[in-house]
Amino acid sequence: DQQVKQNSPSLSVQEGRISILNCDYTNSMFDYFLWYKKYPAEGPTFLISISSIKDKNEDGRFTVFLNKSAKHLSLHIVPSQPGDSAVYFCAASALVIQGAQKLVFGQGTRLTINP
Amino acid sequence: GAVVSQHPSRVICKSGTSVKIECRSLDFQATTMFWYRQFPKQSLMLMATSNEGSKATYEQGVEKDKFLINHASLTLSTLTVTSAHPEDSSFYICSATRRAEAFFGQGTRLTVV
Repeated sequence: DQQVKQNSPSLSVQEGRISILNCDYTNSMFDYFLWYKKYPAEGPTFLISISSIKDKNEDGRFTVFLNKSAKHLSLHIVPSQPGDSAVYFCAASALVIQGAQKLVFGQGTRLTINP
Repeated sequence: GAVVSQHPSRVICKSGTSVKIECRSLDFQATTMFWYRQFPKQSLMLMATSNEGSKATYEQGVEKDKFLINHASLTLSTLTVTSAHPEDSSFYICSATRRAEAFFGQGTRLTVV
């Protein structure tokens, strides 16, 4: 059972435009959501997160929106740059073990920024 | 710089042999680390939770006798793939949390031939 879903395996966006990556979840116990960026043969790197008590969090070119009623979150990147090309994973957390987050990941979306 | 270091980054082994992967938290102590596995074009799947000084907690469907986890110190967790088979070939990643933020190792590409 896939508790965190990214239904778009790939997305292609022109440089300078907005990239919107979507993520849906099914477990209402999730209270913390994160986005990670991943290059091939490397571990994920943290981008931005949002707590369930908020509906928006912004950090530079990255903004994450959370719609709890719809169990949906999205990552907006604007303006998109060629260096943003990577696989983006949405992750959710419902359990903290001794301060550590136990994450459930979506399948990832491969973002390609075209010059 | 990296806060979680994973070694080796790539390993090729013969069927039937065992492979050990190390995950170190740099400059901070991690009583809990997580081990993930990623198949090509798929999500990162949590395999187990590594607990310092106690037994690891395995996710459903993960064979604890096949994937041995040892968390002997506050900065080191190891994953040993025992009697490896070609189907164990995958990308293995560990993570540790510092100040409520999860950091990931660089990952280990295991190929069993």
